[in-house]
Amino acid sequence: DTGVSQNPRHKITKRGQNVTFRCDPISEHNRLYWYRQTLGQGPEFLTYFQNEAQLEKSRLLSDRFSAERPKGSFSTLEIQRTEQGDSAMYLCASSTGTLLYSNQPQHFGDGTRLSIL
Amino acid sequence: AQTVTQSQPEMSVQEAETVTLSCTYDTSENNYYLFWYKQPPSRQMILVIRQEAYKQQNATENRFSVNFQKAAKSFSLKISDSQLGDTAMYFCAFMKPAGGTSYGKLTFGQGTILTVHP
Repeated sequence: DTGVSQNPRHKITKRGQNVTFRCDPISEHNRLYWYRQTLGQGPEFLTYFQNEAQLEKSRLLSDRFSAERPKGSFSTLEIQRTEQGDSAMYLCASSTGTLLYSNQPQHFGDGTRLSIL
Repeated sequence: AQTVTQSQPEMSVQEAETVTLSCTYDTSENNYYLFWYKQPPSRQMILVIRQEAYKQQNATENRFSVNFQKAAKSFSLKISDSQLGDTAMYFCAFMKPAGGTSYGKLTFGQGTILTVHP
């Protein structure tokens, strides 16, 4: 169990640029979640993948955000035309479960901290 | 929709003493799970303890235990024999089990910063 891996750890970019983050879940985990955490707050759910299918998206996920999990393994989160308000920690988590049921806790990565200049 | 409230933004405790962190939640669900996660400064979020709502017995993990009051929708975390390494942000989280139209996402509280003093 190598844990959930996220890259990069930090990303600094200018407003208006596009950024992409990567998440590698624990290898046998078929469920993958993205969360956003602003300073001093709890994480907020963004989106969920069951294998390669994106099954739920939060209203927080504006049209500028897109996430993929092409082969049901790693996932990417892209933000287009970044804005100041996008500055946050982006967390990835994974867990196991059947297609129909899961009660397993999520394991989190270290996160990618995005700073918009 | 579920909400989770942690009313203590910051707490402090002396090493070796006991501290209790509070959490309340609101839900209309009957079957759900509650978690406490620990997030040390600039480090990964780690699961501390988990409670199934259908279990009346409070969960315990070594120095960590919970007081789960389902009717009151209260879920507090007690840390006994506090250690310097317990210094972290602690989050209470709610999860409806994945199944049907639910996908097992976590709803977090605002967090409580716990500082353990030597």
